[in-house]
Amino acid sequence: EDQVTQSPEALRLQEGESSSLNCSYTVSGLRGLFWYRQDPGKGPEFLFTLYSAGEEKEKERLKATLTKKESFLHITAPKPEDSATYLCAFAMGGSQGNLIFGKGTKLSVKP
Amino acid sequence: DTGVSQDPRHKITKRGQNVTFRCDPISEHNRLYWYRQTLGQGPEFLTYFQNEAQLEKSRLLSDRFSAERPKGSFSTLEIQRTEQGDSAMYLCASRPTGMGEQYFGPGTRLTVT
Repeated sequence: EDQVTQSPEALRLQEGESSSLNCSYTVSGLRGLFWYRQDPGKGPEFLFTLYSAGEEKEKERLKATLTKKESFLHITAPKPEDSATYLCAFAMGGSQGNLIFGKGTKLSVKP
Repeated sequence: DTGVSQDPRHKITKRGQNVTFRCDPISEHNRLYWYRQTLGQGPEFLTYFQNEAQLEKSRLLSDRFSAERPKGSFSTLEIQRTEQGDSAMYLCASRPTGMGEQYFGPGTRLTVT
C-alpha cells in the first residue's frame, strides 16, 4: 500500500538551532515528492518538488533532499517565523496527480 | 491573478442542513482538486477535475457530496444533510497541465453543530 510517514510529529527548536525533518515513503512508481508549509488556519503553501533520488532544492533557510526511500527537509539556523507545520506528499500515478499527504511535522522555533 | 480563492472562509451550520462551497482556481490552471483536512492530519483527496470533467472521486466522497465545475473555471462542492463528522477544513487546489505541484486556496472551515 502506498503511504508516507513523517517524523517527528512535533519539533521544538531554539532560534539558530539547525535540524532536519524526515519523510519516508513506500510508493510504487514515485511521480514527484512535494513539501508544503502550512500555518494555522491556512491552506498549504508550496515549497519544493523533487522527482529523482539525489535531487536537492534550496530556498532561504530550507533545503530538501530525496533518496529512494525518504526525503529530508533541512532547516538551517531557523527563526521564529519558520514555525509552522511542514507537510510532505507524493503524487499518485496517472494523469490525475492527486497528492497523498503525511500527517506533518509541527515545528516551533523559540527566540 | 493572486492565487486560488475560496468562499466562504468559515461556515457554521446545523446538522441536516445543506452547504455549498466555491473555489476559483488560478486562471490558466485546467486541473482542480478538492481535499478535506481534519485536525492533526494531512489533507485527504476528495475529487479531481480536468477542465469541466470530473475524472476521479475518492471513497471518502459519500453520496451526500457532489462537486461540479460547469464551465471548466470555478468549482462548487455541496454537502447535503450535513453530519457532525463533516466538520473539517475543505481545501481546493489547482495546477496547470505538465506540472506536478498544486497550489492551494485558504480553505473553508466547516463546523456542523
